[in-house]
Amino acid sequence: AQSVTQPDIHITVSEGASLELRCNYSYGATPYLFWYVQSPGQGLQLLLKYFSGDTLVQGIKGFEAEFKRSQSSFNLRKPSVHWSDAAEYFCAVGTTSGTYKYIFGTGTRLKVLA
Amino acid sequence: SQTIHQWPATLVQPVGSPLSLECTVEGTSNPNLYWYRQAAGRGLQLLFYSVGIGQISSEVPQNLSASRPQDRQFILSSKKLLLSDSGFYLCAWNPRRVWTEAFFGQGTRLTVV
Repeated sequence: AQSVTQPDIHITVSEGASLELRCNYSYGATPYLFWYVQSPGQGLQLLLKYFSGDTLVQGIKGFEAEFKRSQSSFNLRKPSVHWSDAAEYFCAVGTTSGTYKYIFGTGTRLKVLA
Repeated sequence: SQTIHQWPATLVQPVGSPLSLECTVEGTSNPNLYWYRQAAGRGLQLLFYSVGIGQISSEVPQNLSASRPQDRQFILSSKKLLLSDSGFYLCAWNPRRVWTEAFFGQGTRLTVV
């Protein structure tokens, strides 16, 4: 069965520090991978997506993610975190076995210290 | 451009009362539609998805049901709410037969008391 694991429930970083959020997926075929961000009480906004091609993808707000097939990972990175990046981040895999569905991880809540 | 609307934004309902949450999409046709529930520490759980009018697939057995009476309308319902139905409900859509990201509504915060 398809699944997504985000091993870090909470992460705290200082403003200006670098950030890496981990995501591992389990899916038998070529995955479609996504990172979303959610501010409190809001819907989800897409940060970036990977479908094929270059394994390093750039997204909005200075985020990037790298797809590593050998490790079944799609980690999200940002070189320098801003206080406004404090939010919850979700990794998701899109499945195409019959129907288009999105399987989400449990999320990582990011806290940024001033 | 396409937009997705969910309402109400917030709802407080007593145990045993009925529920109806509505989601509509504008600016597209024949979308795939999804209902997700978000509970603390559990991420987003896919509840239902629909590929067309009257076509509903349930992912998780529960106290809820979904309907799609029109192409761009998706309704989440319950006849009798349970305390465990509390959570943040999100509707989403994506274009049919085209792989892209899901587009989410702003969500409904449901508290069952």
